Amino acid sequence: DTGVSQDPRHKITKRGQNVTFRCDPISEHNRLYWYRQTLGQGPEFLTYFQNEAQLEKSRLLSDRFSAERPKGSFSTLEIQRTEQGDSAMYLCASSLDNRSLIHFGNGTRLTVT
Amino acid sequence: QKEVEQNSGPLSVPEGAIASLNCTYSDRGSQSFFWYRQYSGKSPELIMSIYSNGDKEDGRFTAQLNKASQYVSLLIRDSQPSDSATYLCASLDSGNTPLVFGKGTRLSVIA
Repeated sequence: DTGVSQDPRHKITKRGQNVTFRCDPISEHNRLYWYRQTLGQGPEFLTYFQNEAQLEKSRLLSDRFSAERPKGSFSTLEIQRTEQGDSAMYLCASSLDNRSLIHFGNGTRLTVT
Repeated sequence: QKEVEQNSGPLSVPEGAIASLNCTYSDRGSQSFFWYRQYSGKSPELIMSIYSNGDKEDGRFTAQLNKASQYVSLLIRDSQPSDSATYLCASLDSGNTPLVFGKGTRLSVIA
């Protein structure tokens, strides 16, 4: 069990560019979550998957954000036309099911200049 | 809207003292509660879970839950400087809704 893996760890991009992050959950974990965290705040829910199905999206997830989990294993989160307000830590987490403990990856820190 | 409230701190305690961290939640449907520790620049790390009223102890950590008062707490005994971190409280209901986090309480243990 190697834990939840996220790539890249850090991303610096210019406003208006597109970025894509990857998350590899713990093996055999059916649920995968994306959260966003800004300084001084707790993690805010963005979206989650049960296997390959995206079951819920927060209203925080504007139409510039899209997430996929095509084969029910790894997931990608893409942000199009990045804005400075998108600068945050993007956290991925996984769990076996809706009753199991949720474990986080190390996060991807995005800085939009 | 489901909310989890925490005092942002900082809470400062001397080394060896008991640190008491508190959390309230708004959703009476919440069934499970979690405490995560987060060091600066790092991701949250799960340290305790509690599902029933009462106390749950794990080493130097004790989680307390009072569903009638919608109150969760975390006690850290014999606090160490390495316990200095932000502690996040989170709740989960019995359905499919995701984990809801508070803003966290920053704890500083002074040597």
